[in-house]
Amino acid sequence: DQQVKQNSPSLSVQEGRISILNCDYTNSMFDYFLWYKKYPAEGPTFLISISSIKDKNEDGRFTVFLNKSAKHLSLHIVPSQPGDSAVYFCAASPSNEKLTFGTGTRLTIIP
Amino acid sequence: DVKVTQSSRYLVKRTGEKVFLECVQDMDHENMFWYRQDPGLGLRLIYFSYDVKMKEKGDIPEGYSVSREKKERFSLILESASTNQTSMYLCASSVWGTRSYNEQFFGPGTRLTVL
Repeated sequence: DQQVKQNSPSLSVQEGRISILNCDYTNSMFDYFLWYKKYPAEGPTFLISISSIKDKNEDGRFTVFLNKSAKHLSLHIVPSQPGDSAVYFCAASPSNEKLTFGTGTRLTIIP
Repeated sequence: DVKVTQSSRYLVKRTGEKVFLECVQDMDHENMFWYRQDPGLGLRLIYFSYDVKMKEKGDIPEGYSVSREKKERFSLILESASTNQTSMYLCASSVWGTRSYNEQFFGPGTRLTVL
């Protein structure tokens, strides 16, 4: 039972354009959401998060949008850079210590 | 900077062997976690711990056990390794008690192959 879903296993975007990564969840108890980035042979690193009391959070080139009614969040990267090529995981938490991760989306930025 | 280290980057074991994966964090974090990462399945939680000598089952604990004798160290044990435990194993830690607890810091991972 996949409570956090990333339906696009991969995405290719031209350098300088916008990358949009999507994530859907089913558990209405989730109230905190995070995005992690993972390079090969490294552990995931935290990128950006959003609480359910907000619908948008911005940090430099990265913006996360949350649509609670649709149980959907998205990560926007503008402008996309070659160093953004990585696997991106969304994760969600229901106000406790545990995170439930999605299956990941491999983003490739084309120079 | 938080540092989470894992004892091995690559490990090859035989079916039936007992396997220990070690994780150490240097930021005095209360919470520690073990995940496995498999293609198409993302990160799945095996076990986690809120405190020394305390452990909780995650989503896929079968075939695994853990030990936390010291705050900084969390060990994952495969009592009798099987080929379906071939995977990338990731350890993480986080602070307890604030919203930032959700932000987990990961080690580099151990790629375990069971033959």
